[in-house]
Amino acid sequence: EAGVTQSPTHLIKTRGQQVTLRCSPISGHTSVYWYQQALGLGLQFLLWYDEGEERNRGNFPPRFSGRQFPNYSSELNVNALELEDSALYLCASSPTGDHEQYFGPGTRLTVT
Amino acid sequence: GQNIDQPTEMTATEGAIVQINCTYQTSGFNGLFWYQQHAGEAPTFLSYNVLDGLEEKGRFSSFLSRSKGYSYLLLKELQMKDSASYLCAEIPDSNYQLIWGAGTKLIIKP
Repeated sequence: EAGVTQSPTHLIKTRGQQVTLRCSPISGHTSVYWYQQALGLGLQFLLWYDEGEERNRGNFPPRFSGRQFPNYSSELNVNALELEDSALYLCASSPTGDHEQYFGPGTRLTVT
Repeated sequence: GQNIDQPTEMTATEGAIVQINCTYQTSGFNGLFWYQQHAGEAPTFLSYNVLDGLEEKGRFSSFLSRSKGYSYLLLKELQMKDSASYLCAEIPDSNYQLIWGAGTKLIIKP
């Protein structure tokens, strides 16, 4: 069974640019979660999608947005990038009604 | 709001035993996870506790006391590869969004 996949692996952007990160959940999983993890810090919850709808979002500005597609894959968009957006962005998936989250390898975003 | 507390960093010796504690608010609790995260990598599942008591899995065990809002992860026969951050995460009531602790960085010394 293939795990959660994310693309790209690494990304370098300049301040003010926009970025789109992608996540494919494990087959059969309907929930996708996005987290930001700055270097040396804990997981900060960004967004939760389930069955194509946004269920909850963390304490992040509106320039962080996303969506979930009918095949349950998901995108995270970040507009007007700032230096402090440099972090590891992790996507996790879980089956409907299950709490255990399976993480992808993450996308390392560097904003210069 | 909900709050999870765990120590920021711990140091232990190879071959020894270490206990990493996690406390959480007891209202609306539905279970607790422990994850391991090596530097620069994604978290991986270690254990899940929903009932009081100790769950043993090889060198790793996890304990839960619902009445005290307390859990710990016990690591035995420590190996250098156990150097990682250990994250506890709570399942709040009727909400599938986990509440994560900041993680405990465990440093293993020879």
